[in-house]
Order: sequence, then C-alpha cells, then structure tokens
Amino acid sequence: DAGVIQSPRHEVTEMGQEVTLRCKPISGHDYLFWYRQTMMRGLELLIYFNNNVPIDDSGMPEDRFSAKMPNASFSTLKIQPSEPRDSAVYFCASSTDPRTSYRTGGVGLPDRGQFFGPGTRLTVL
Amino acid sequence: AQSVTQLGSHVSVSEGALVLLRCNYSSSVPPYLFWYVQYPNQGLQLLLKYTTGATLVKGINGFEAEFKKSETSFHLTKPSAHMSDAAEYFCAVSFSGNTPLVFGKGTRLSVIA
Repeated sequence: DAGVIQSPRHEVTEMGQEVTLRCKPISGHDYLFWYRQTMMRGLELLIYFNNNVPIDDSGMPEDRFSAKMPNASFSTLKIQPSEPRDSAVYFCASSTDPRTSYRTGGVGLPDRGQFFGPGTRLTVL
Repeated sequence: AQSVTQLGSHVSVSEGALVLLRCNYSSSVPPYLFWYVQYPNQGLQLLLKYTTGATLVKGINGFEAEFKKSETSFHLTKPSAHMSDAAEYFCAVSFSGNTPLVFGKGTRLSVIA
C-alpha cells in the first residue's frame, strides 16, 4: 500500500485566495482525520470522518474552513479566503476499526493506530 | 477531557547513551497512549502504542515505553541512542484507536557523536 497520500506537498498562495488540500486514505480504512501543526499550537485536530460522515468538526477554526469526504478514497480541506495565520503544515491520517470496517473491506486489517500522510506545507503571504 | 504533557522540549544525548523522553497524561477514562516520531519535513510515524494488557510496550527501532497508571506516565526509552534517532517525538492520548489524538508539544531529540 502506498500509505496516506496528500497533495500538494507545498502550497504558496496570497491572502484571500482559495486553497484546497487533498487526501487519499489507506484503502480499507474507514476513519479519516485532518490535523494542523503550527509552532504556536502544536498538533491539533481539525475534523474527522467515519465512513465518509463528519463526526467532529469542533476543531475547524472558523467558517473559512470546510472539509468534505465524497467517497471512501478521497477527502478535501478547503480554506476560503486564506489568511497568513493559516500558514501551517496540514496532515491527513487514516485508521480502521477491524471489528466494523467490513463495509470498506477493512476486515482483518490490524488496528495499528492512525497512519499519517507526509503533510501539506501551506504558506499564505 | 484528555491532555498530554511532555517534559523537556529538547533533549540531547550522546551516541550510545540511554534515551529517556518523558510523557505524562490526563484522561477521564482508561487511555490509549501513543508515541510518534517525526523526521524533518515528513509525516508522523507510529513508534508504539498502548491499549490494554501488558504495560511494557515494545516498538520499532528499539524503543519501548511503560504505562504506569499510578504515575499517569508513559515514558519512552531506548537503551542506546543512534544518530538516526535524531527527530521530534510526540506523545499522544486518545479514547480509543479510532478517536482523535491529543498530542503533547513534542520533544526534539538530538544525538551527539
């Protein structure tokens, strides 16, 4: 398996522009998490999904942020409009519960915690 | 609510010396505990995790951690540091294997030749 895939790896944009970050979780994983890493706040959860349904979005900073998961193999995190304070590394992670992920073919996959993608480094000028 | 405190934002050891990275947690329920490692410009890689059962957990690259409920600690150790161990280490807690992780601030490990 290729692991969690994120794109782009780096994004530089100007304040006010729309930014879309993309994530492809590991096949068979039915949980997907978006985290943000900054020097000031460390690693913090933004939102997570189970079977493509958002479960907790209380970490999303404000209405400028939105996340979707249209299917089991793809998720997006969108910032519109972007601001300099959004500059950070954004990580996507996926995991599975072997007991319940039968619908996504995850049965039998070991519970090894959350697997992280390489991250997207966002710079908003 | 859950929280994690990592003591020491930066730890420096000599090559071949013992590595000890400290982590204390707070949790209202029996916790799941994790250690992740992050190399420069990379994502986080799981080193080891504790869920239930044996309190001494062995992970990859020779690392291990011991869950001590009475001390609410989950310190990470390695008997002999290698230059390749230089990285940022994060302790994390969650309610289960599939709920969000709450991370500590991280400890940067430097290994001196």
